[in-house]
Amino acid sequence: SAVISQKPSRDICQRGTSLTIQCQVDSQVTMMFWYRQQPGQSLTLIATANQGSEATYESGFVIDKFPISRPNLTFSTLTVSNMSPEDSSIYLCSVAWTGGADTQYFGPGTRLTVL
Amino acid sequence: GDSVTQMEGPVTLSEEAFLTINCTYTATGYPSLFWYVQYPGEGLQLLLKATKADDKGSNKGFEATYRKETTSFHLEKGSVQVSDSAVYFCALNSGGSNYKLTFGKGTLLTVNP
Repeated sequence: SAVISQKPSRDICQRGTSLTIQCQVDSQVTMMFWYRQQPGQSLTLIATANQGSEATYESGFVIDKFPISRPNLTFSTLTVSNMSPEDSSIYLCSVAWTGGADTQYFGPGTRLTVL
Repeated sequence: GDSVTQMEGPVTLSEEAFLTINCTYTATGYPSLFWYVQYPGEGLQLLLKATKADDKGSNKGFEATYRKETTSFHLEKGSVQVSDSAVYFCALNSGGSNYKLTFGKGTLLTVNP
């Protein structure tokens, strides 16, 4: 496994603003993912962050709302744009390696509250 | 599509009691199966996994066996501790183009002294 960190760990934001969440891994990984966990709910995959190319989004999630970057093999960002209270969730990144790509390891999450 | 069904919580047990959390799945092909645990205020930790039929995953006294015939992956522990209080998620990964994890809704376990 690896050490995965996220910044910020939590934030309270105003409606209409944007927040960028960072995910840093202490070793190179093949795959990086972003999930959302709404209050009291399970996890839903937002997108797969692809190094050097556009992210692959799941149904119901769009790039304009959740732009993602992955400039290298150890770092990715997720931006939550034009936020509304419905975006209040925990956002988690996860990582996996080729050859063991079925197994994902998660960061500590970013707890976002939108007022 | 893929789906995971977990027993509804919350589950409340006394210390040293036996724990079972049921999990069944629907998937194409032969998925890998996982249990993740989320302690209060923290992210998800991988608890155990199994990648093929009849495999048993185990960790920290927890066990789960991949049962293809019943499409199940029930989590068990013989004697729970207060420190086991957490939310437990069953998940599967069918592979495919994006290696997406599909999660169950989670089961909140509270263990009382």
